[in-house]
Amino acid sequence: DTGVSQDPRHKITKRGQNVTFRCDPISEHNRLYWYRQTLGQGPEFLTYFQNEAQLEKSRLLSDRFSAERPKGSFSTLEIQRTEQGDSAMYLCATRQWTYNEQFFGPGTRLTVL
Amino acid sequence: GIQVEQSPPDLILQEGANSTLRCNFSDSVNNLQWFHQNPWGQLINLFYIPSGTKQNGRLSATTVATERYSLLYISSSQTTDSGVYFCAVISSGGYQKVTFGTGTKLQVIP
Repeated sequence: DTGVSQDPRHKITKRGQNVTFRCDPISEHNRLYWYRQTLGQGPEFLTYFQNEAQLEKSRLLSDRFSAERPKGSFSTLEIQRTEQGDSAMYLCATRQWTYNEQFFGPGTRLTVL
Repeated sequence: GIQVEQSPPDLILQEGANSTLRCNFSDSVNNLQWFHQNPWGQLINLFYIPSGTKQNGRLSATTVATERYSLLYISSSQTTDSGVYFCAVISSGGYQKVTFGTGTKLQVIP
């Protein structure tokens, strides 16, 4: 257990539905990342927060995706109008401001039917 | 953007054998980590090693930043070492985007 938690661990939804995932970081970690991992691939960077500010977004993050980190604590990733291509593992990682090592949560596995 | 390639892509070892995994990157980095992804998808931190050499039990890692590569050594492999090994980097270009390598899938057989 790295101390980073994600909820839910698994989500099955029908195409067109909206889904929201949550990540709770290690308490003193002010930097938070979201990644997506599809089968047989390495994780791909989606977005990055420093405290509550979203500072970096990948071109993978289409208009249907939105991420927030209110008050610089937990973060949510929402996918609107899900598509089958959104099926993947969504991973959250956090780290301290002064030290670059990232720690990953267990991930949320999304299946879109 | 920075390119990160790992080799070999697949590796099968007899239990007790040693192995070396390689990570090549195309630009200077200020962050390099090695991870082991277990069958349940959890990424487990092995080393944070932007430069130099570190050892932890049967595992050790070396990063030669000037030559843009890192090596992960596994000695006396065990079946529990099976899984996918990733290196991940943040380039020195001032952005925080993390790029993962292509991964090495290791299978250790009894």
